[in-house]
Amino acid sequence: GAGVSQTPSNKVTEKGKYVELRCDPISGHTALYWYRQSLGQGPEFLIYFQGTGAADDSGLPNDRFFAVRPEGSVSTLKIQRTERGDSAVYLCASSYGQGVGEQYFGPGTRLTVT
Amino acid sequence: AQSVAQPEDQVNVAEGNPLTVKCTYSVSGNPYLFWYVQYPNRGLQFLLKYITGDNLVKGSYGFEAEFNKSQTSFHLKKPSALVSDSALYFCAVSSDNYGQNFVFGPGTRLSVLP
Repeated sequence: GAGVSQTPSNKVTEKGKYVELRCDPISGHTALYWYRQSLGQGPEFLIYFQGTGAADDSGLPNDRFFAVRPEGSVSTLKIQRTERGDSAVYLCASSYGQGVGEQYFGPGTRLTVT
Repeated sequence: AQSVAQPEDQVNVAEGNPLTVKCTYSVSGNPYLFWYVQYPNRGLQFLLKYITGDNLVKGSYGFEAEFNKSQTSFHLKKPSALVSDSALYFCAVSSDNYGQNFVFGPGTRLSVLP
């Protein structure tokens, strides 16, 4: 079946602009995660959704970052007033159920802020 | 706070030899431990997990890991390495105190030499 998809695959934006990154999880997966991965580092947790609600947003670095999942499926990560330090690969993952299960990762969106 | 250490940036092993990729962790509560692999130009893939039960966990592609509570370790092992195992390996941890807020290690690059 289809895996987790993320669009766009690459995004180049100017400092100060607003960007939206989209994640389509595996159908039927109720849990959805956003991570940020900088070069040479492991993924850094940003936010976790269970259904439509953000169950844990403690990883969002500041109030410029926001994520939604209005219908419990597709999620959008929104970054306002982008900064060069936001440049990274943004990863989305989904998993089935409410337990601690394996996560299925998308290919990521590479964000470059110039 | 929870943390993960992967003390080796790079592990080199000859094809056919056993391999070990090390991971140590620090959490409060009972740990949930995962290994993921990242192949070039591909998303992270789940290998195996420890939640509870047997300390020796078997996973995909012939990999296994042993949970050692006293040493707070979860080393990844394989009896006989393949060239196709060459990839970036990440250890991740959460706990019953932190739920779905996972911390990933910095990654270990495994090179299996023919």
